[in-house]
This record gives sequence, C-alpha cells and structure tokens, in this order.
Amino acid sequence: SQQGEEDPQALSIQEGENATMNCSYKTSINNLQWYRQNSGRGLVHLILIRSNEREKHSGRLRVTLDTSKKSSSLLITASRAADTASYFCATEETSGSRLTFGEGTQLTVNP
Amino acid sequence: DSGVTQTPKHLITATGQRVTLRCSPRSGDLSVYWYQQSLDQGLQFLIQYYNGEERAKGNILERFSAQQFPDLHSELNLSSLELGDSALYFCASSARTGGYGYTFGSGTRLTVV
Repeated sequence: SQQGEEDPQALSIQEGENATMNCSYKTSINNLQWYRQNSGRGLVHLILIRSNEREKHSGRLRVTLDTSKKSSSLLITASRAADTASYFCATEETSGSRLTFGEGTQLTVNP
Repeated sequence: DSGVTQTPKHLITATGQRVTLRCSPRSGDLSVYWYQQSLDQGLQFLIQYYNGEERAKGNILERFSAQQFPDLHSELNLSSLELGDSALYFCASSARTGGYGYTFGSGTRLTVV
C-alpha cells in the first residue's frame, strides 16, 4: 500500500527554473525522506527531515514538512538537465521502521 | 557504486521456476530491506532483516522467502514464478533500524516468460 501521494505525477521545466514537488501522507511519522531514481536504476537518498523539523536544505534542495497537514514539498532550485529523474517521497511511520514510498514525480528538465 | 551489491543484474526465467536474488549490504549496515518495483504497483516493501533476524514483513507472497546470513548478506528466494512477478527487485541497507536513510543497490531485473 502507498502511504505517500505525490503531486504532480509529471513535471516538465526548462533548465534554470525551479521545480517543486509535493507529497502527502496519511499516518504519524518519525521522518520523511526524498529519493531520486534515474530510469531503471537504484534509488538515491537525497534528504531526510524529522517530524520535529519544518525545513531543511541540502545544496540546491529545500525540503519542508508540515505535520499538521501531513504534507511535504521538495524544491530543486536552478534545475539542470542532469536533474531529470523520478523523485519519490518515503515515510517512516511511528509504528515501524521500514519506509513506505509514494508513486513518484517524473521530472524532466529541458536544456 | 552505492556500496550495496546486488546480483544478478538481469534474470530471465520461465514460469514455475525458482530463482535466488543476492544482496550484500553497505559495509557496517545492519538492516537489509527488499523492495519490488513494478509499473502498476510502484515500490512495494517486501521484508526487512536486522542483524540476522526478520524485523518486518510487507506485501511478500508466500511463494517468496528471504534470509539474512551471519555475514549480513541477504538472499530473496522467489518460487513458482508467474508472469506477474516480472519486476525490478531492489535491496537496500541502512545503519540501524529506523531514523536513517537507505542505500539502494542497482537492482535485479527479473523477467518471467
């Protein structure tokens, strides 16, 4: 079963623009994580934000978490063609340690 | 190279057969997770092992089984294979159970014909 739902399912932008992806979830969580997957490859961990944090930055990535709305957003600034990939949010529920992944957002950055 | 090694990378087999997928976690990681990724189901959690013991079970079919060995490598056994089992199977590892990001392997692409 999917815990996270991502929005939009697909996003196409020009190089240099910012990309924002949203994730909503249903249950109480310990943390929320974002991963990137290039086509057919393994997922790469991008950032982890804990339930008591509201915002976190890593390079060109900015993640926000609103536990009252059970939602998170991932902002990629000054996007590059190399950012083209699928992006997944994943939640670690308070009831267990494994991650439950959303269905992902396919981001295409056009040069 | 993520540090998590999965073999084989590709596997083509016939319905009804049995296969074993192998995973070596990143050095120092005690938790191993198996996920199945298919187009219609997304990423589905199958099973987790922590330091040799089963810790959590997800949507794993009875035809599937797994284990983690004393050297912490893990194997996922899939038997009586059906066409619908065709998918990417990922292994991931983390330092502990909970509170850490996962390191994923590059996956095993299983095709059942």
